[in-house]
Amino acid sequence: DTGVSQDPRHKITKRGQNVTFRCDPISEHNRLYWYRQTLGQGPEFLTYFQNEAQLEKSRLLSDRFSAERPKGSFSTLEIQRTEQGDSAMYLCASSSPPGQGEYGYTFGSGTRLTVV
Amino acid sequence: RKEVEQDPGPFNVPEGATVAFNCTYSNSASQSFFWYRQDCRKEPKLLMSVYSSGNEDGRFTAQLNRASQYISLLIRDSKLSDSATYLCVVARYSGGGADGLTFGKGTHLIIQP
Repeated sequence: DTGVSQDPRHKITKRGQNVTFRCDPISEHNRLYWYRQTLGQGPEFLTYFQNEAQLEKSRLLSDRFSAERPKGSFSTLEIQRTEQGDSAMYLCASSSPPGQGEYGYTFGSGTRLTVV
Repeated sequence: RKEVEQDPGPFNVPEGATVAFNCTYSNSASQSFFWYRQDCRKEPKLLMSVYSSGNEDGRFTAQLNRASQYISLLIRDSKLSDSATYLCVVARYSGGGADGLTFGKGTHLIIQP
């Protein structure tokens, strides 16, 4: 499988618990993005990595959220002290820069988080 | 004003009809535009890029009007399988190139037999 893979597909957690999601991008892509999507909304940008460097974070990414991409390959998104408002689909996407290889964004299937 | 605005619908359209979606964007510096399709509880998938000259892919035609900051998608001879949410998407740019996408809320299309 050469697509973007995310794990787990579904996560149910109790309020206050910590959760961590993983994203494995397409191996040739050096850019990796995290988005969050709630019901009836389009995906909202959270953060972006180029290789291992986290270049931008949205104001949506509160102090309880942290993302890493330590070796420039897979990435993790951790949410500490989860709240019910964190319930959403968390989407990962990867891309290559314009002009380098096939330009485009490929999304993973997402991790659906439910905080109860 | 939201960065990307779409009519959320739903659009209920009989099979075989032609349907058009519109979208406006606020950042005049935006350079790349796309339509994505999203099925229920699935990830967004690229439907087509949108070019200034207009472009067509089978039954789908996309148009861009930079002066009005307006993007459109036309679906001809609609099929039941076209039922989905259509997301208008604008690439975000920094000095180093594209650094992510800004999505509209999506337009929900229901094709009725």
